[in-house]
Amino acid sequence: ETGVTQSPTHLIKTRGQQVTLRCSSQSGHNTVSWYQQALGQGPQFIFQYYREEENGRGNFPPRFSGLQFPNYSSELNVNALELDDSALYLCASSFDTSDRVRNEQFFGPGTRLTVL
Amino acid sequence: RKEVEQDPGPFNVPEGATVAFNCTYSNSASQSFFWYRQDCRKEPKLLMSVYSSGNEDGRFTAQLNRASQYISLLIRDSKLSDSATYLCVVPRPTFGDGTTLTVKP
Repeated sequence: ETGVTQSPTHLIKTRGQQVTLRCSSQSGHNTVSWYQQALGQGPQFIFQYYREEENGRGNFPPRFSGLQFPNYSSELNVNALELDDSALYLCASSFDTSDRVRNEQFFGPGTRLTVL
Repeated sequence: RKEVEQDPGPFNVPEGATVAFNCTYSNSASQSFFWYRQDCRKEPKLLMSVYSSGNEDGRFTAQLNRASQYISLLIRDSKLSDSATYLCVVPRPTFGDGTTLTVKP
């Protein structure tokens, strides 16, 4: 086990609703990245938080937002849900340094979101 | 062109076979590379890191060719338990869409 946990494991929402997904990073890690994985595709990078600040963002609209807390846990918020937001949402934690060395990431089990 | 491209497969091989996957990347400034393994409906798990020309761990060998901008993963003596999707990762991080391997008895 990686020590990265996510909640909830499954979630069903309807179009237009808002959702908050949570991630607890592995002890000692200071960076959390969020990914969206649709069936048959690799994880798509949403954004990354390093020491509570956003440190890079993928090609996702502003209705995808996030937070990282002082204990390095993190939230992903998605507003105005659309059907295409149905996917597995993965969070990954790592220990990065100030020179932004990209170290190995360890994934949580994911949250499977279904939008009806 | 995608930032990271992989042959999606599927690769269907018999037990004991040697199989190789390639992954090409577009960012020539990338310094670190990773191979992850993902089982069906599970999260990706780190398989190997590649920081220099290559890395070997038991039956698994990863090689990096910076001039041609590709990394490869070689699996020797395939086991049934190696059946999974193998994801190539190039930071920012960017994941390839994965190569599916099925090892048959």
